Order: sequence, then structure tokens, then C-alpha cells
Amino acid sequence: IAGITQAPTSQILAAGRRMTLRCTQDMRHNAMYWYRQDLGLGLRLIHYSNTAGTTGKGEVPDGYSVSRANTDDFPLTLASAVPSQTSVYFCASSEGLAGGPVTQYFGPGTRLTVL
Amino acid sequence: GQNIDQPTEMTATEGAIVQINCTYQTSGFNGLFWYQQHAGEAPTFLSYNVLDGLEEKGRFSSFLSRSKGYSYLLLKELQMKDSASYLCAVRDGDYKLSFGAGTTVTVRA
Repeated sequence: IAGITQAPTSQILAAGRRMTLRCTQDMRHNAMYWYRQDLGLGLRLIHYSNTAGTTGKGEVPDGYSVSRANTDDFPLTLASAVPSQTSVYFCASSEGLAGGPVTQYFGPGTRLTVL
Repeated sequence: GQNIDQPTEMTATEGAIVQINCTYQTSGFNGLFWYQQHAGEAPTFLSYNVLDGLEEKGRFSSFLSRSKGYSYLLLKELQMKDSASYLCAVRDGDYKLSFGAGTTVTVRA
């Protein structure tokens, strides 16, 4: 069982280019999340999805979009990348959003550099 | 918004005990999590508290006081492999996690 996979592992991107970060989980988790992690700021939620077909905005959604066509995949798209989007991006999933000790499990991350 | 504070760095000696404090002010409360993150790796789940008191898991324990908006993670019998960042995260009224900036713990021989 792979858990959560992310691709690419790292990427250098020119400003203004479009980029999609891929995330796939094989745990049949209902909820999925995208975070960015910057030094001194911790993990910040970009977008989330409670279940396939639904998405919601997190703390820092501007410049990013997501889709959730099925349970397993949750891609994150940067329509026109800017240098401030240089960060490490983590995808996570959990069984559900509400109730109980619903633990989030994290993918290995994508290190993105926008020049 | 959410406000979660924890110290930036801590250093301790192998075999010692370290306590990482976390204070929070959030819109609603549905549990507090601690995650461990080694450099260049993903965060991994350590502990969860939703009621006041102490939860013990081997060498790691976590404490919560909801009235004080306070938690701590206690690491006992420190080992070199415990050198990592420790992230405090609070699940708010909307059941989303807000993370502190993390505490980097360095264990010295």
C-alpha cells in the first residue's frame, strides 16, 4: 500500500507558466487537503475536499485551483505561477472531515521553485 | 483567524526530557494534534487530545487544557532520532487543521 503519492518530487518553473501538482491516495479516504509549507510560517491550508465532487477554500487559496473528480485524485493547479508560490506543497488525506480523532496522513511533498 | 504559538527551537541532551509548549486561540475547538516532521520529509502523526488531561504513548506524552488554550508535548529518554520539528495543530469549529510554525528540537550527544 503506497498511501499518498505526489508528483513531481520537485520542479523549477518559470513565472507565468501553468503547473499541476498531482496527488493520489489509495486508502479510500473521503477528505483530501493541499497545504504549503514555508519557513517560519508552518503549514497553511490552500484547498480541501470533503468528498469526491466537492471542494472548499482554505487559508491561502488565491492563485490555486483544485478538482476532485474521484476519491483517489486531488490535483492542485497554479494557473500562472508567481515567485511567491515557491514553497513545499503537501497533500494530505483523512477518513472524513468531522468527528473523532480523524488523523490526516501526508504525502512526501513537492518542492516547487518559481523563477 | 487562528493563532497557534510554539517555541521556534529547543536543544536537549540525549537521554533527557524536553517539553514543547503550544498555546492557541482558535474559532472553535475539535481536538489538538501533534505531528513530527524530520527535515525534508512529510509530517507524521504523533498524538491527539480532545479532552483535558494527559495522553501517554511510550516515550511521548501530550497534555491538554482547553480552558487555558494550552498543550504540551513531552519527549522522554531523548534519542538522536528525535531531532526533528514538532508541529502543534488545532482542529477548529469547521474541523479544519490550523498549524503552528513548528518547534525544531535538536538532540545532542
